[in-house]
Amino acid sequence: GAGVSQSPRYKVAKRGQDVALRCDPISGHVSLFWYQQALGQGPEFLTYFQNEAQLDKSGLPSDRFFAERPEGSVSTLKIQRTQQEDSAVYLCASSLGTTPHTGELFFGEGSRLTVL
Amino acid sequence: GENVEQHPSTLSVQEGDSAVIKCTYSDSASNYFPWYKQELGKGPQLIIDIRSNVGEKKDQRIAVTLNKTAKHFSLHITETQPEDSAVYFCADVRWHAGNMLTFGGGTRLMVKP
Repeated sequence: GAGVSQSPRYKVAKRGQDVALRCDPISGHVSLFWYQQALGQGPEFLTYFQNEAQLDKSGLPSDRFFAERPEGSVSTLKIQRTQQEDSAVYLCASSLGTTPHTGELFFGEGSRLTVL
Repeated sequence: GENVEQHPSTLSVQEGDSAVIKCTYSDSASNYFPWYKQELGKGPQLIIDIRSNVGEKKDQRIAVTLNKTAKHFSLHITETQPEDSAVYFCADVRWHAGNMLTFGGGTRLMVKP
């Protein structure tokens, strides 16, 4: 596809369940980012990949959050033992350059996670 | 936490009027300031950006101004149209602190026809 694709668009999980969110970046984009957006707030940085290397994971809120991009294209954000405070929209973004933010960041439509 | 403060949180204007959204940042090392527009149910989309060596940039009805001394930058939308209604986010990037985008809290702009 032409843009960043995320799936699922909506996910409802019971507290304690594990979830996996998928991101297909724009083909050829080297940089990939995950952001968390709580209702009514701005996106907050979670983690950054350059190709398959996870160069920054300083924004991951706890060790229940894990992200990977094993072949330098598709990325998965996994949340273990979900809690209600994990409810948010998870946004994936990609950019062409190897240096973060020297170019436009293209966002997907997000995966909305609701933890009951 | 936020290093970028954005005001106002909501803004309602009449179609054809101008809208101004202001952001302040705290780190003097910040040197890139993009603005993103987010429509309901969609991801943010870049609409304009400015780098620290420029004071103003314009693209048709939108413009951004940067005051490095005061550490603030503003988005100006002229001749607003109903399709400008959305949430707007400012952001900054500090090249020597992880290079990550740090977003403001957002401004919900409503343009009344």
